[in-house]
Amino acid sequence: DVKVTQSSRYLVKRTGEKVFLECVQDMDHENMFWYRQDPGLGLRLIYFSYDVKMKEKGDIPEGYSVSREKKERFSLILESASTNQTSMYLCASSPPGHTTGYGYTFGSGTRLTVV
Amino acid sequence: AQSVTQLDSQVPVFEEAPVELRCNYSSSVSVYLFWYVQYPNQGLQLLLKYLSGSTLVKGINGFEAEFNKSQTSFHLRKPSVHISDTAEYFCAVSGFQKLVFGTGTRLLVSP
Repeated sequence: DVKVTQSSRYLVKRTGEKVFLECVQDMDHENMFWYRQDPGLGLRLIYFSYDVKMKEKGDIPEGYSVSREKKERFSLILESASTNQTSMYLCASSPPGHTTGYGYTFGSGTRLTVV
Repeated sequence: AQSVTQLDSQVPVFEEAPVELRCNYSSSVSVYLFWYVQYPNQGLQLLLKYLSGSTLVKGINGFEAEFNKSQTSFHLRKPSVHISDTAEYFCAVSGFQKLVFGTGTRLLVSP
């Protein structure tokens, strides 16, 4: 089974801190995604990556950046955490292809609280 | 561009009753359709998907969904729900290199 592992289930950070959320997948998938999930808003795409060192902005990239130095790892960075970034963050991966018939495999999520 | 509408944000139902969670999509091209389930404090897992062929798709945990092209719908059904089905359910449609998700429907099953 494909596994997508997010390094932390729960995180509490202070306003202004630089925060790293890590995601690792073990099935050699080219595509990786970061979403945030908020009540009533569903899943909103922050960034995605089709390959190593490639990244594309999603719908809400402001305040975030990403890094993909290795195929299996996709990191989400909050440059200066703010309270409005308190949320559940979900990482996902999928094989390549311009239409995603495979669907995604998701990690378990990281619930981030910024105080 | 593709879009997904889940009209019901919350569906309360009694245990052993049938349930239908509604999903409508918009797309100008042929689509793949998905239902995901999210249990409390967990990630999303795939319930079922429609790629082609039979319009009735069976998934895990006794769920099924029917693809209706003329109505652009992909409703999720279960004939008899359990307490353990309490979760949030997301419908998704394939876009260019990524999925487009609905806002989710919370299924609340009570005894």
